Amino acid sequence: GAGVSQSPRYKVAKRGQDVALRCDPISGHVSLFWYQQALGQGPEFLTYFQNEAQLDKSGLPSDRFFAERPEGSVSTLKIQRTQQEDSAVYLCASSYAGWSGEAFFGQGTRLTVV
Amino acid sequence: AQTVTQSQPEMSVQEAETVTLSCTYDTSESDYYLFWYKQPPSRQMILVIRQEAYKQQNATENRFSVNFQKAAKSFSLKISDSQLGDAAMYFCAYRSGGNAGNMLTFGGGTRLMVKP
Repeated sequence: GAGVSQSPRYKVAKRGQDVALRCDPISGHVSLFWYQQALGQGPEFLTYFQNEAQLDKSGLPSDRFFAERPEGSVSTLKIQRTQQEDSAVYLCASSYAGWSGEAFFGQGTRLTVV
Repeated sequence: AQTVTQSQPEMSVQEAETVTLSCTYDTSESDYYLFWYKQPPSRQMILVIRQEAYKQQNATENRFSVNFQKAAKSFSLKISDSQLGDAAMYFCAYRSGGNAGNMLTFGGGTRLMVKP
């Protein structure tokens, strides 16, 4: 596609529900990152994929957070048993291998847990 | 761990004038990259300008330029001839070099308002 696409753009979940956030990167981009952006703050790293391999998940805040990219393209970030502190914008970014170019960001998913 | 600090939560500039946004960072690495991203209300992060640490020359992109002071670990963004469309959140970001998987570390952001 022309850019990184994320869906849904907005998600309201009741506390305790499971949610799944989707990221469709730019075609051919090997690297894919997920970031969490709390209200009024800068984004914080969650996890990194190179193709289908999850090479870094050090930023995932708890074992309720799980990410996958099974075919090296679309990625899904899943949050189980959502809590109010999970409310944030979740940003996805993709780039070519080698990081010689820029990372392209999607418009994010705003998750509100009520 | 690297940290990025933006000390100005909000800045205001008159249309057509010049504004400078500040950023400092802390690192013990010698190979790294610095970035300024713009985030409008649509939430999509847009790259404004990048600087490789090994380059002494300050990066410039049209009306946007940086003042990179490596020894002082300072990386400010200057916006000349400000336009209404420049109003947004601006984030300074750091990335270690040498590895495709190195993530961006962001500052807390500066909200730029442009007055007509």
